[in-house]
Amino acid sequence: KAGVTQTPRYLIKTRGQQVTLSCSPISGHRSVSWYQQTPGQGLQFLFEYFSETQRNKGNFPGRFSGRQFSNSRSEMNVSTLELGDSALYLCASSFAADLSYEQYFGPGTRLTVT
Amino acid sequence: AQSVAQPEDQVNVAEGNPLTVKCTYSVSGNPYLFWYVQYPNRGLQFLLKYITGDNLVKGSYGFEAEFNKSQTSFHLKKPSALVSDSALYFCAVRRGLNYGGSQGNLIFGKGTKLSVKP
Repeated sequence: KAGVTQTPRYLIKTRGQQVTLSCSPISGHRSVSWYQQTPGQGLQFLFEYFSETQRNKGNFPGRFSGRQFSNSRSEMNVSTLELGDSALYLCASSFAADLSYEQYFGPGTRLTVT
Repeated sequence: AQSVAQPEDQVNVAEGNPLTVKCTYSVSGNPYLFWYVQYPNRGLQFLLKYITGDNLVKGSYGFEAEFNKSQTSFHLKKPSALVSDSALYFCAVRRGLNYGGSQGNLIFGKGTKLSVKP
């Protein structure tokens, strides 16, 4: 079974621009979560989707948004990029929203904002 | 509030020796606990989890972890370390309640860098 895929793997953007990251979950997985990883803050939760509905949201500004499609694929968007948005963005999928299910992570998208 | 602490930024072990990576947690209710490993320029790989039952759980690559409710700990262990085990290890917790719009996301520790020398 193919793992979680994320595209693109690397991105370089300029302050003020916007960016869209894509995530394809493991086949059959309906829950998708997004995390931001930085050296200073570690792994921080952005949001979680299940069956196209946002179920949970982390403490990030409204510039960060996401959505999930009927095929469970998910996208996240960051508008008006800031230097501090430079990070590794990780997508994770799980079979269900049940808390006992482990999440499987993709390789991440490395975003650099200049 | 839920939180996870990994008190050691780095653990150094000689190959063949046992290793322990420490994790303590704070959560209301029964915790769901997870260990993940991250290799350079890679995503996180699931190692093992504790949901309920036996306090000693076994996972991938020979790793195991012991849940200790009284000490609120979930330490990761391996009897004999390999150089290839060198990586960044993350402990994570979820509050073990039925999902009802409450916080179901994983809360991660800061990570512990494991270095295994030949």
